[in-house]
Amino acid sequence: EVQLVASGGGVAQPGGSLRLSCAASGFSLKTYPMNWVRQAPGKGLEWVSNIRTTKEGGMAYTDSVKGRFTISRDDAGNSIYLQMNSLRAEDTAVYYCATDLNWAFDRWGQGTLLTVSS
Amino acid sequence: QSVLTQPRSVSGSPGQSVSISCTGTTSDVVNYNYVSWYQHHPGKAPKLIIYEVTQRPSGVPDRFSGSRSGNTASLTISGLQVDDEADYFCCSYAGAHSWVFGGGSKLTVL
Repeated sequence: EVQLVASGGGVAQPGGSLRLSCAASGFSLKTYPMNWVRQAPGKGLEWVSNIRTTKEGGMAYTDSVKGRFTISRDDAGNSIYLQMNSLRAEDTAVYYCATDLNWAFDRWGQGTLLTVSS
Repeated sequence: QSVLTQPRSVSGSPGQSVSISCTGTTSDVVNYNYVSWYQHHPGKAPKLIIYEVTQRPSGVPDRFSGSRSGNTASLTISGLQVDDEADYFCCSYAGAHSWVFGGGSKLTVL
């Protein structure tokens, strides 16, 4: 079955760190740019970060997470990651990973919930 | 505050058509042919239903269509079905490998 499975969410304290993972099965992530998109409770979707293919190189972040979040990929492990540091209450959200095809988010994982609270 | 502006809610009866607007700027909707739309049933993963303003992914019914005029993109759903009741989000590429979303529109099928 072709799917993306996001994991690693949970409860973190303000100022704390957490790493999200997104594993692909049934297809290879290697040829896809990948993204993280989040949805805070009761809010809309928000693009968080993009990583190009290893061949193209490069990452991008929304302004509110620059300097705090780092996206990475492991093509051999068919996974991507989001290292989140200096967490804030406003980072509380369901985080989705998604493939990038034709400049749209083609395939989505089921989401993993991060709650930042003391 | 979302970057793209959508109505918070829309509604229609089974069999009718509804349109959802998505207003942006020259930084996104106007200058890039990369407007996409997503259907989101709460608790599930969002689903891509329109990409590149007007294109439908394989498997998406032709009841769903996209268009753009100036700084406003639109999603039209014809022949409304009960299963269409969901949240709908527009999204635009905004340059430098970044994207912006609308705040979402809740579609109620009466």
